[in-house]
Amino acid sequence: AQSVSQHNHHVILSEAASLELGCNYSYGGTVNLFWYVQYPGQHLQLLLKYFSGDPLVKGIKGFEAEFIKSKFSFNLRKPSVQWSDTAEYFCAVIFLGGSYIPTFGRGTSLIVHP
Amino acid sequence: DARVTQTPRHKVTEMGQEVTMRCQPILGHNTVFWYRQTMMQGLELLAYFRNRAPLDDSGMPKDRFSAEMPDATLATLKIQPSEPRDSAVYFCASGPEGTSYEQYFGPGTRLTVT
Repeated sequence: AQSVSQHNHHVILSEAASLELGCNYSYGGTVNLFWYVQYPGQHLQLLLKYFSGDPLVKGIKGFEAEFIKSKFSFNLRKPSVQWSDTAEYFCAVIFLGGSYIPTFGRGTSLIVHP
Repeated sequence: DARVTQTPRHKVTEMGQEVTMRCQPILGHNTVFWYRQTMMQGLELLAYFRNRAPLDDSGMPKDRFSAEMPDATLATLKIQPSEPRDSAVYFCASGPEGTSYEQYFGPGTRLTVT
């Protein structure tokens, strides 16, 4: 079955530290890739997406992600985190040619200490 | 700024009562999803509609849950009878079918069944 893995379940950082959250998926075909963010008590919001073109994608709030097809990965990065980045981060993959229902990872909880 | 709306935002009910949650997708979006989020299970897909037709409800307990789209502007999720284990946040999301298939989430309905 197609799956999405987020290896880091909980990440704790200090402000200004660099961030990288891992996301891997299990499918070798064509995919659309997403990172969503859920701030405490709020709903999921789209952070960035990749569906074609430049594999380095820039999103809102200084986040970026790189699609590495050979590694089936779509890691999320931010060079310098802020306290306001404290949130849950979800990676999602749509396996094109299938049902077009996104498969979500379990999420990574990020806490940034001021 | 188009948004997915959900009502009610909070619902407290007693076990055995019927609960109806409503969602208004973004105008023009033709896919609608219902998710349930809990600490233990994370984000679970309950139902998926495309052009108002239910395409996947395999994640939904059929004996007590039902999901419908009576028209393009309204999706409903009903629980009858409700049980304490149904306590969760229920999110509706809509999306345009096209190139990237991203989702736009509503604010959620926080359901507490006592």
